[in-house]
Amino acid sequence: DQQVKQNSPSLSVQEGRISILNCDYTNSMFDYFLWYKKYPAEGPTFLISISSIKDKNEDGRFTVFLNKSAKHLSLHIVPSQPGDSAVYFCACRGGSNYKLTFGKGTLLTVNP
Amino acid sequence: KAGVTQTPRYLIKTRGQQVTLSCSPISGHRSVSWYQQTPGQGLQFLFEYFSETQRNKGNFPGRFSGRQFSNSRSEMNVSTLELGDSALYLCASSLVVGSGGDTQYFGPGTRLTVL
Repeated sequence: DQQVKQNSPSLSVQEGRISILNCDYTNSMFDYFLWYKKYPAEGPTFLISISSIKDKNEDGRFTVFLNKSAKHLSLHIVPSQPGDSAVYFCACRGGSNYKLTFGKGTLLTVNP
Repeated sequence: KAGVTQTPRYLIKTRGQQVTLSCSPISGHRSVSWYQQTPGQGLQFLFEYFSETQRNKGNFPGRFSGRQFSNSRSEMNVSTLELGDSALYLCASSLVVGSGGDTQYFGPGTRLTVL
């Protein structure tokens, strides 16, 4: 039972345009959400997070949106840069068990 | 401040052998979690340790075990290796466990190949 789904295995955008990565979850106990970026041969790097009491969090070019009623979150990258090309994982935690549950990732390719 | 370190970075073993992986968390971090990453399954949670006690455990067989030392360093052990255990094993540290909003910071991982 996959509690966190990233339905797009890959996404390709042009440099300077917006990248939108999506994530859906099923567990209503999740109350904290994170995005990680991963380059090949490296561990995931924390990017941005949002708690369930907010619906938006912004950090520079990165904005995370949370729609609790739809159990959906998205990561917007504006403007996209070639260095943003990586696998992006969304992760959720909450309830009595604070382990992170990850989606399977979306490979973002930003073309120059 | 130094990041999470994992040793070794690469490991090749044969079926039936056992392996021990090591993780040193960020200084001051007391919680260590382990994840397995495979192409088909993404990142899957193995277990989490805090103050030398296992606090959470994922759905992995008993061949996978771990421990944490008083200095917060952690090891994980896989016995009777199977081909399907080939994966990237990631360690992550955080300040505390069970604290909503506590960010986990990952090491570079150990790439285990089972032949």
